[in-house]
Amino acid sequence: NAGVTQTPKFRVLKTGQSMTLLCAQDMNHEYMYWYRQDPGMGLRLIHYSVGEGTTAKGEVPDGYNVSRLKKQNFLLGLESAAPSQTSVYFCASRTSRTGELFFGEGSRLTVL
Amino acid sequence: TQLLEQSPQFLSIQEGENLTVYCNSSSVFSSLQWYRQEPGEGPVLLVTVVTGGEVKKLKRLTFQFGDARKDSSLHITAAQPGDTGLYLCAGGYSGYALNFGKGTSLLVTP
Repeated sequence: NAGVTQTPKFRVLKTGQSMTLLCAQDMNHEYMYWYRQDPGMGLRLIHYSVGEGTTAKGEVPDGYNVSRLKKQNFLLGLESAAPSQTSVYFCASRTSRTGELFFGEGSRLTVL
Repeated sequence: TQLLEQSPQFLSIQEGENLTVYCNSSSVFSSLQWYRQEPGEGPVLLVTVVTGGEVKKLKRLTFQFGDARKDSSLHITAAQPGDTGLYLCAGGYSGYALNFGKGTSLLVTP
């Protein structure tokens, strides 16, 4: 079982470049989330989606955009990468508002 | 944004010792979850609590949810090296977002 798959797993960008992180889940979950994890900061919510075609802002949305065109996919875009966006990004999904979050393995992004 | 405060931030103990970590918020949770994360991996759910005063046990781990649903604790009895990891609490409120605390990094040495 694949669960939640994130691509790419590693990426190095230069300041100002753009990129998209892809999250795919095969569990038919309604809710999907993007978090970033920095040392000493825990997990901070960037954006989330409660269903196909819907997205909402989390705690730290600035500099990121998202799309949920298909139920199984949740894309996170960086329009103009900045060094402050160097982080490990985690995608997660769950089937209900109080259900277990299933996480991907993370995508490590470095912006030079 | 609702804040979840976890304490302590770091904990280093020897095998066989007991420990307790705490998760507190100024807001009432609709539900609270505890996750454990190992290096290079995503967090994995340990438990979900939803009822004030609820106590759940998972082998040597005991989870308690405060009566007012604003705080929770995780107690580990006779810690083992395999318990080493980052323990994260996550609170659900009235919406769909799930906010995490900064975590407690636990190291258990033989």
